[in-house]
Amino acid sequence: NAGVTQTPKFRVLKTGQSMTLLCAQDMNHEYMYWYRQDPGMGLRLIHYSVGEGTTAKGEVPDGYNVSRLKKQNFLLGLESAAPSQTSVYFCASSQRGDYGYTFGSGTRLTVV
Amino acid sequence: AQTVTQSQPEMSVQEAETVTLSCTYDTSENNYYLFWYKQPPSRQMILVIRQEAYKQQNATENRFSVNFQKAAKSFSLKISDSQLGDTAMYFCAFMKRPNDYKLSFGAGTTVTVRA
Repeated sequence: NAGVTQTPKFRVLKTGQSMTLLCAQDMNHEYMYWYRQDPGMGLRLIHYSVGEGTTAKGEVPDGYNVSRLKKQNFLLGLESAAPSQTSVYFCASSQRGDYGYTFGSGTRLTVV
Repeated sequence: AQTVTQSQPEMSVQEAETVTLSCTYDTSENNYYLFWYKQPPSRQMILVIRQEAYKQQNATENRFSVNFQKAAKSFSLKISDSQLGDTAMYFCAFMKRPNDYKLSFGAGTTVTVRA
């Protein structure tokens, strides 16, 4: 089925470790996004991309980096994980956005 | 980011009854979109309904309808004939137009439908 695929679905990291979350979409969407979801705070935008080779900062970009080398993939990196980055991370894509996003199923990340 | 406020952290409703979720937003923009997303326990985010700010008519999708009050900056969601499968967290979201496709979300309202 067409959609947005996130890997991994769960991960536990130790403080200071690094990792990359992978997001892939097969709908040829131009726009891609990374959000984090925390209790009582809804979803907050980390970084986004408006096309292949472009990235931009969202509301909470500190401690994260992203890359979009191919149109279908959007990678989120944590260089030195901190407990404050414990969260559920969602990737989403859209062709324009005004008809809403297609979301991945999320990655639950725990940093100990 | 635009401010989206959902003042009801949790709501409970009996099966087959109606529940209304509130959402207010703060913006100086005149042209924008509003959305309601549903997040069931599976964690998947599902689009429920969308509203274009320049349209006076309230959007409806089957048992889901909105009450959009532009002057009051209010966008409530009504779930009619509630079903057990409606149990989920519901998020209100705002998107500025044109050409700004970032969504700003509220904190969410957890809805529990009782059998």
